[in-house]
Amino acid sequence: DAKTTQPNSMESNEEEPVHLPCNHSTISGTDYIHWYRQLPSQGPEYVIHGLTSNVNNRMASLAIAEDRKSSTLILHRATLRDAAVYYCILRDGRGAQKLVFGQGTRLTINP
Amino acid sequence: DVKVTQSSRYLVKRTGEKVFLECVQDMDHENMFWYRQDPGLGLRLIYFSYDVKMKEKGDIPEGYSVSREKKERFSLILESASTNQTSMYLCASSSDAGTGFTDTQYFGPGTRLTVL
Repeated sequence: DAKTTQPNSMESNEEEPVHLPCNHSTISGTDYIHWYRQLPSQGPEYVIHGLTSNVNNRMASLAIAEDRKSSTLILHRATLRDAAVYYCILRDGRGAQKLVFGQGTRLTINP
Repeated sequence: DVKVTQSSRYLVKRTGEKVFLECVQDMDHENMFWYRQDPGLGLRLIYFSYDVKMKEKGDIPEGYSVSREKKERFSLILESASTNQTSMYLCASSSDAGTGFTDTQYFGPGTRLTVL
């Protein structure tokens, strides 16, 4: 499985945008970029995914570099409820089912 | 909303006991997964199942077995619990509908198992 690299931790203030980076320099052409997050004392939850184009949904935006070797998850206006560990995961588009979680980025939101 | 439930949030067992962790999903998903989560090691896949009575080993299947007799239920079994199986256990499910490689996995709240 292709590897991802994320900062161990990040901190931001409430109601400000947050940009969570992820490097995946060995990404293959069939890998999708998925983001999950894990709130305290809960199981992980899906946030967003993309292949080549930038993606938006009600939770976040995903900006994918043109060479696909990096991506950024954008929380447009962070709230205290966004404090969580965020995982950037590559999934082989050829049908692999499992998620390979790295260490993720622990996001702290200050009031 | 998809719901994945796990039989217990917290469980304490003794070494050598047989332990059953149950997971139920209510969305008619074909795929179900068992992960364990440990500090510094992240989430690791133990077993998964893509159909009733089917199972596949994940990355760390040793010491575990699974059972999927009904589509909605996936059980993780520790035949003889050991202290190194103290961990948070997470169940997940996903659908094969549409493009399988973009399927979302829905996780349960987890079971924190302590083996004494």
